[in-house]
Amino acid sequence: NAGVTQTPKFQVLKTGQSMTLQCAQDMNHNSMYWYRQDPGMGLRLIYYSASEGTTDKGEVPNGYNVSRLNKREFSLRLESAAPSQTSVYFCATETTVSYEQYFGPGTRLTVT
Amino acid sequence: QKEVEQDPGPLSVPEGAIVSLNCTYSNSAFQYFMWYRQYSRKGPELLMYTYSSGNKEDGRFTAQVDKSSKYISLFIRDSQPSDSATYLCAMSEGGGYNKLIFGAGTRLAVHP
Repeated sequence: NAGVTQTPKFQVLKTGQSMTLQCAQDMNHNSMYWYRQDPGMGLRLIYYSASEGTTDKGEVPNGYNVSRLNKREFSLRLESAAPSQTSVYFCATETTVSYEQYFGPGTRLTVT
Repeated sequence: QKEVEQDPGPLSVPEGAIVSLNCTYSNSAFQYFMWYRQYSRKGPELLMYTYSSGNKEDGRFTAQVDKSSKYISLFIRDSQPSDSATYLCAMSEGGGYNKLIFGAGTRLAVHP
């Protein structure tokens, strides 16, 4: 029972390059979230998905796209990376009744 | 003014001390309150969950919610070096889209 897994763990990109961050869960939760965490800023919501086939913007969606491939998987894509996107990215899932969120181990992204 | 305010610390205490961590908030519609523990270079881990007002105890940890004062607390009794981490408060209104708002986190160091 892995919970929430994320790949890759680390990535370095040059400005303008693209990449996809992968997230998968085996908790059978409907809702999934992508956050970024920056020093002093806490966790900020990028996109979320309430169920398979639906996605919505969060607080900081600019420069990102998402895909909810199926119930298990929710990916985050950077089409043209910018240094401002240097951050730690976390995927989370959420229980239906109590709204508790469970996080993956994170992806550390550096854009040079 | 941020919706959720949390003193970033750092907070340094000796082993065995009682630790008090706090958050204040401005949105009176918040009903779900959580505390997450985040070790360095790891994802946030759900520590305590409380619905509405009151206290909840789990081992050495006690969470308190005072909705009239818009104030939540986490107490750690008999603190251990393994408690050294960043503690994030989080809260939401609940409902169909659970927008979880995080505090910036308080860094705690428990020294032997």
